[in-house]
Amino acid sequence: KQEVTQIPAALSVPEGENLVLNCSFTDSAIYNLQWFRQDPGKGLTSLLLIQSSQREQTSGRLNASLDKSSGRSTLYIAASQPGDSATYLCAVTDSNYQLIWGAGTKLIIKP
Amino acid sequence: GAGVSQSPSNKVTEKGKDVELRCDPISGHTALYWYRQSLGQGLEFLIYFQGNSAPDKSGLPSDRFSAERTGGSVSTLTIQRTQQEDSAVYLCASSLVVVNTEAFFGQGTRLTVV
Repeated sequence: KQEVTQIPAALSVPEGENLVLNCSFTDSAIYNLQWFRQDPGKGLTSLLLIQSSQREQTSGRLNASLDKSSGRSTLYIAASQPGDSATYLCAVTDSNYQLIWGAGTKLIIKP
Repeated sequence: GAGVSQSPSNKVTEKGKDVELRCDPISGHTALYWYRQSLGQGLEFLIYFQGNSAPDKSGLPSDRFSAERTGGSVSTLTIQRTQQEDSAVYLCASSLVVVNTEAFFGQGTRLTVV
């Protein structure tokens, strides 16, 4: 059974710092991995989608990597801003086409 | 519309009543997904549609839950005889196809069963 774990559960850093969020999964048979952000009272916003054949994706200050064989992904946020404060979720699409979710990392960027 | 639309945004219902939640996916997206997020818990997969067909209904919590999709577009999630443990945010997402395309989420329906 696929399980997705995110570490840390919460993170608070000063504005301007670079930071890394971690996601691990137990079964390497995935189609893709996505990173989302969730803002309070709002829906989920897709940040990056990495296909199983890819190693990384970049969008602006965000860079996500995928090491399928070791079951790990990282989301790197450069030059963090207060507007980056949110809960970040990773999810893998498993062999049954289901999205399996991590519990999220709650990120607070202090001005 | 430009994004996934869900209605209502909030629903308060009495225990034992039936509720219907609606999802309008992005036009042209063939795949549609329902999830729920209970307070303090992670996202839980409920069901997905490829077109009007739901290949996997195993995520539905009980036989009180059902979902349908018509015309390859709008989907409704129906909960019969609601219970307090059904209280959650129900999220709908759509993607172009089932695999290897981004999933776009609606704002969710917050269901409170009193």
